[in-house]
Amino acid sequence: EVQLLESGGGLVQPGGSLRLSCAASGFTFSSNAMSWVRQAPGKGLEWVSSISGTGGNTYYADSVKGRFTISRDNSKNTLSLQMDSLRAEDTALYYCAKGSTLFDFWGQGSLVTVSS
Amino acid sequence: EIVLTQSPGTLSLSPGERATLSCRASQSVSSSYLAWYQQKPGQAPRLLIYGASSRATGIPDRFSGSGSGTDFTLTISRLEPEDFAVYYCQQYGRSPRYTFGQGTKLEIK
Repeated sequence: EVQLLESGGGLVQPGGSLRLSCAASGFTFSSNAMSWVRQAPGKGLEWVSSISGTGGNTYYADSVKGRFTISRDNSKNTLSLQMDSLRAEDTALYYCAKGSTLFDFWGQGSLVTVSS
Repeated sequence: EIVLTQSPGTLSLSPGERATLSCRASQSVSSSYLAWYQQKPGQAPRLLIYGASSRATGIPDRFSGSGSGTDFTLTISRLEPEDFAVYYCQQYGRSPRYTFGQGTKLEIK
């Protein structure tokens, strides 16, 4: 059974940093691209970033480019998202998702709140 | 960036009725790379349809997708109580800027 478990969310001040992690199990992690998709409170879905199975290719939405860094550790089946220079508009539930174009499994999300 | 516009914003129907949800793209979606997701309150989205018309694993056959180019439709043939949720369309043909529609809320009448 595919399982994705996010952690690392919390309250951070504008301009601060936070690192999200996603522990994956139930599938061959290194063979699959992975992504982060976020959802602001009461709003729709927004693709944030994707990474290839090897980690050699990364992609970002314009809204986070230069501030967020996606990475993965295939030896630990873990996906990460380093978020720097956070803004109020980054407040959202961040989902870890399997896939890079189509998202066939999702975690339950980790809430990030950017507020002073 | 391809903008997806879903209609209606809210659809009120009764169990047993047929639901028709629309997703219109601002530009043609290549190779019908269009997906539909269902999201229930407090839950993560679930993939329903990909490639415009292929059902994901475990999705009941009352869910069907159709369309091409810029106009796509999700149809639920006979609504079950568990089908009332928010539905999102997503295009994944324009790499890597994969965009979602704003969602259609399907509520019980």
